[in-house]
Amino acid sequence: AQKVTQAQTEISVVEKEDVTLDCVYETRDTTYYLFWYKQPPSGELVFLIRRNSFDEQNEISGRYSWNFQKSTSSFNFTITASQVVDSAVYFCALSEAGTDKLIFGTGTRLQVFP
Amino acid sequence: NAGVMQNPRHLVRRRGQEARLRCSPMKGHSHVYWYRQLPEEGLKFMVYLQKENIIDESGMPKERFSAEFPKEGPSILRIQQVVRGDSAAYFCASSPLAGAVNIQYFGAGTRLSVL
Repeated sequence: AQKVTQAQTEISVVEKEDVTLDCVYETRDTTYYLFWYKQPPSGELVFLIRRNSFDEQNEISGRYSWNFQKSTSSFNFTITASQVVDSAVYFCALSEAGTDKLIFGTGTRLQVFP
Repeated sequence: NAGVMQNPRHLVRRRGQEARLRCSPMKGHSHVYWYRQLPEEGLKFMVYLQKENIIDESGMPKERFSAEFPKEGPSILRIQQVVRGDSAAYFCASSPLAGAVNIQYFGAGTRLSVL
């Protein structure tokens, strides 16, 4: 069965702190894709990253970085030097080859205080 | 290039009324997905459509809900005889191609409140 678990419901940090959002997934497929989306207070979902199951290289984009580890079925997201504008709900999602639907975790609400 | 457009942004209905939610995909995208987000929960897949075809409706409730994506015009998610439990945010996403590899781009959602 496919499942995405984001165990951290809410995280609060002070600006400039680093913060890591955890994502653990379950799938029986060998080919799958992992995504992170950001949902700011305005409500829309903003795509952040896609990673396929054959590419375990970590990725960095500015203050954002992602750590994909197949051995622990995790795809964690780190924000370095957090800013107030990073305050949002972050969703991790999974899609399996042969399907077209995304399976979302329940999200982690990040609050960054000045 | 406009993103995925959903309207209305907010919709209030009384129990028993019909709700129609519209979604215009990004230009060049012919694949549309609908998801529902209940309060404090993640998004749950409802239905996947291509022009004039329903491809996967495994997440749609069996009764009262229907979706279409006509040859011309937006995709419509229709909820008949709404009940309080239908109150949620409904998101539409689109992609240019089929397949799990494709990025789905989301609209801002329609927040449905059933009184």
